[in-house]
Amino acid sequence: GDSVTQMEGPVTLSEEAFLTINCTYTATGYPSLFWYVQYPGEGLQLLLKATKADDKGSNKGFEATYRKETTSFHLEKGSVQVSDSAVYFCALSDQTGANNLFFGTGTRLTVIP
Amino acid sequence: DTAVSQTPKYLVTQMGNDKSIKCEQNLGHDTMYWYKQDSKKFLKIMFSYNNKELIINETVPNRFSPKSPDKAHLNLHINSLELGDSAVYFCASRHKGHGYTFGSGTRLTVV
Repeated sequence: GDSVTQMEGPVTLSEEAFLTINCTYTATGYPSLFWYVQYPGEGLQLLLKATKADDKGSNKGFEATYRKETTSFHLEKGSVQVSDSAVYFCALSDQTGANNLFFGTGTRLTVIP
Repeated sequence: DTAVSQTPKYLVTQMGNDKSIKCEQNLGHDTMYWYKQDSKKFLKIMFSYNNKELIINETVPNRFSPKSPDKAHLNLHINSLELGDSAVYFCASRHKGHGYTFGSGTRLTVV
């Protein structure tokens, strides 16, 4: 079945460091891919998405490219801020009628000043 | 205006009780979902529902039942609560061709 494998954390970085959180997926067909972010005490927010191969999703300085050949959707940011501290979830949307979201295990990022 | 709202935000209850969590969306979306987030932050689909079909994750105990009085609501009812039911439950909605919108979650603690 469809699944997402995400780099486990926690990840601790200094402010302005480069961030990469790896995500690979297994799916039949051509899923849509997402990154969601959960700030402390809050719900899930969509960070970015890509719906087909080679698409690049971007938002708030974060980027991820849909790589069909490597079945990956790695999240990157060139210079993290303290306010980026959160849990990041990679997810895919299956191709069934329900379009369920399948999430990775989440990666907790802590950015220190 | 909150797009997907859940109530209550926090729920503490004793084992064996029956409780409900309410979810409402004002987006006109076709499909609604319930997800469970465990203590390790792992998110798992429980149900998806539109006005035509309810799809249940086979791993969800039958003590959990979704109830949809209308297209804008999908409530989660839980019978005979167990300690292992303690988690954060997220409601979400989606319209075909668009992304998902999540509620802010309900933290359920069973004591």
